[in-house]
Amino acid sequence: SQQGEEDPQALSIQEGENATMNCSYKTSINNLQWYRQNSGRGLVHLILIRSNEREKHSGRLRVTLDTSKKSSSLLITASRAADTASYFCATDAYSSASKIIFGSGTRLSIRP
Amino acid sequence: GAVVSQHPSRVICKSGTSVKIECRSLDFQATTMFWYRQFPKQSLMLMATSNEGSKATYEQGVEKDKFLINHASLTLSTLTVTSAHPEDSSFYICSVNRDRGSPLHFGNGTRLTVT
Repeated sequence: SQQGEEDPQALSIQEGENATMNCSYKTSINNLQWYRQNSGRGLVHLILIRSNEREKHSGRLRVTLDTSKKSSSLLITASRAADTASYFCATDAYSSASKIIFGSGTRLSIRP
Repeated sequence: GAVVSQHPSRVICKSGTSVKIECRSLDFQATTMFWYRQFPKQSLMLMATSNEGSKATYEQGVEKDKFLINHASLTLSTLTVTSAHPEDSSFYICSVNRDRGSPLHFGNGTRLTVT
């Protein structure tokens, strides 16, 4: 079963704008990860944030984690057409760190 | 370069036939591999965890006799969809990670179409 939900399900923005995606999860976790998937392809890991971290940056990506609310957000700044993809959050269950469960995903479209 | 190789990338088969999908870890030995299934515009659903040298661990609702998993070596896991039906048509993706809790590396997926 899926661990979490993401919103929005779909997001369309103008190139250059910032894109924010949110993820909520249900159980305690060790870490939370964000992945990107281009249509018909496998997923690519973007960033991992541990349960004791609140914010993490990687290039144009900024991830926040609020364990009290069981939620995370992914911010992509200065979006580019090449950022068009689906974005998924994924969590490991605290009790079973080997299993990684994915959220429902956000389909991001960047308009040129 | 690619960390995980998945083959084939696309397969079309007739109902009742079996299809084997291979997943190879190219960069490191993997005692555990994960098999996911993805329907169009939906998320990845974990089907099973493949364990080298022992039985796979299947998620609730996944038929182990339908989806046979073999993890005979530290670099290869196979998923066989037996007696495939049109409802088995989907995108199947394997993944590995170096350690528990570390990022997953994904294969490019296999698009299965059962006619």
